[in-house]
Amino acid sequence: GENVEQHPSTLSVQEGDSAVIKCTYSDSASNYFPWYKQELGKGPQLIIDIRSNVGEKKDQRIAVTLNKTAKHFSLHITETQPEDSAVYFCAASKERIPTFGRGTSLIVHP
Amino acid sequence: DAGVIQSPRHEVTEMGQEVTLRCKPISGHDYLFWYRQTMMRGLELLIYFNNNVPIDDSGMPEDRFSAKMPNASFSTLKIQPSEPRDSAVYFCASSQGLHQPQHFGDGTRLSIL
Repeated sequence: GENVEQHPSTLSVQEGDSAVIKCTYSDSASNYFPWYKQELGKGPQLIIDIRSNVGEKKDQRIAVTLNKTAKHFSLHITETQPEDSAVYFCAASKERIPTFGRGTSLIVHP
Repeated sequence: DAGVIQSPRHEVTEMGQEVTLRCKPISGHDYLFWYRQTMMRGLELLIYFNNNVPIDDSGMPEDRFSAKMPNASFSTLKIQPSEPRDSAVYFCASSQGLHQPQHFGDGTRLSIL
């Protein structure tokens, strides 16, 4: 089955800095890569997703890049704000339920 | 839309008791998922349904766990008898397709004493 590795497990940045979270996947046939944000006491919420027919997708301060050859994809958050502090999960799937990474705890210091 | 609704939000009970967690998916979504989240194991898929039919329950840890979906707007996850190691946050999620974004509820924090 699919295996998704996510790094780092914890990321601490200053407000205004950029944050990058990286994930690798094992199944080269995977073609859907969502990212979820989980705030304290809440369920994960989709923030952005990308399909394998594109290499990059942006939505305001967040962007996701996909390298199919290397089988890795990354989440980029620019101009981080304290409200970006949360746990972020990546996932990968191939016409089946997504396999989730272990999560990255992002802490943005004011 | 109200989103996925889970109840109760918190449950504290003694070992050996039966626990029932409830979920109302988003109307029109034909897939429903039950997850368990712990610090040690992260987010684990327990079971998922398509059109009210269980498709894959390979993630259900033991026979003590069971899940039902009697109709398109309601699902339950039952643990009987409960054990302290079942303590976790349990999430329900729904989606419009298997390969579509999942919408999560806010979870049930379960503590078994």
